[in-house]
Amino acid sequence: KQEVTQIPAALSVPEGENLVLNCSFTDSAIYNLQWFRQDPGKGLTSLLLIQSSQREQTSGRLNASLDKSSGRSTLYIAASQPGDSATYLCAVRTSGGNTPLVFGKGTRLSVIA
Amino acid sequence: AAGVIQSPRHLIKEKRETATLKCYPIPRHDTVYWYQQGPGQDPQFLISFYEKMQSDKGSIPDRFSAQQFSDYHSELNMSSLELGDSALYFCASSALQRGTEAFFGQGTRLTVV
Repeated sequence: KQEVTQIPAALSVPEGENLVLNCSFTDSAIYNLQWFRQDPGKGLTSLLLIQSSQREQTSGRLNASLDKSSGRSTLYIAASQPGDSATYLCAVRTSGGNTPLVFGKGTRLSVIA
Repeated sequence: AAGVIQSPRHLIKEKRETATLKCYPIPRHDTVYWYQQGPGQDPQFLISFYEKMQSDKGSIPDRFSAQQFSDYHSELNMSSLELGDSALYFCASSALQRGTEAFFGQGTRLTVV
């Protein structure tokens, strides 16, 4: 059974700092991995999708990497802003394009102005 | 761009009542997923449909059922509601031909009193 772990559970940083969120998964045979952002009580916003054949994806100040063999992904946020404060969730799709995503418990990020 | 639409956004029910949640996926998406997210928890997969057929089943109670209709919208039916069913319920959709990136709706907040 696929298990997804995110470290740290919570993180507080000053504005402008670069930061890295970590995600690990137990079964390396994944189809793809997706990072989401969730504001309190709101829906999940897709940030980046990395297919199993890819090593990284970039969108603006966000960069996600994938090391399938070691079961790890990182989300790098450059020049953090207070508006980045949210919970960041990592989710993996284990096999097949329409199988369900398995989520980690998320990292709660606070960026202090 | 069209997003996943869920209704209602908020729902208050009494114990032992029934509830029906609706989901309208992004047009031309072939897979619909239902997730339950309790307070402070990660989303837990309930059930999914691929091309209107049930494809995967997660931790969905026997009191719940779901279906996908000919117009691709989906409904989650919940009976004999319990206090523990209070949660955010998310619907997501994805398309095999578009890299399977999953997009989530804003959720339905169900409160059972």
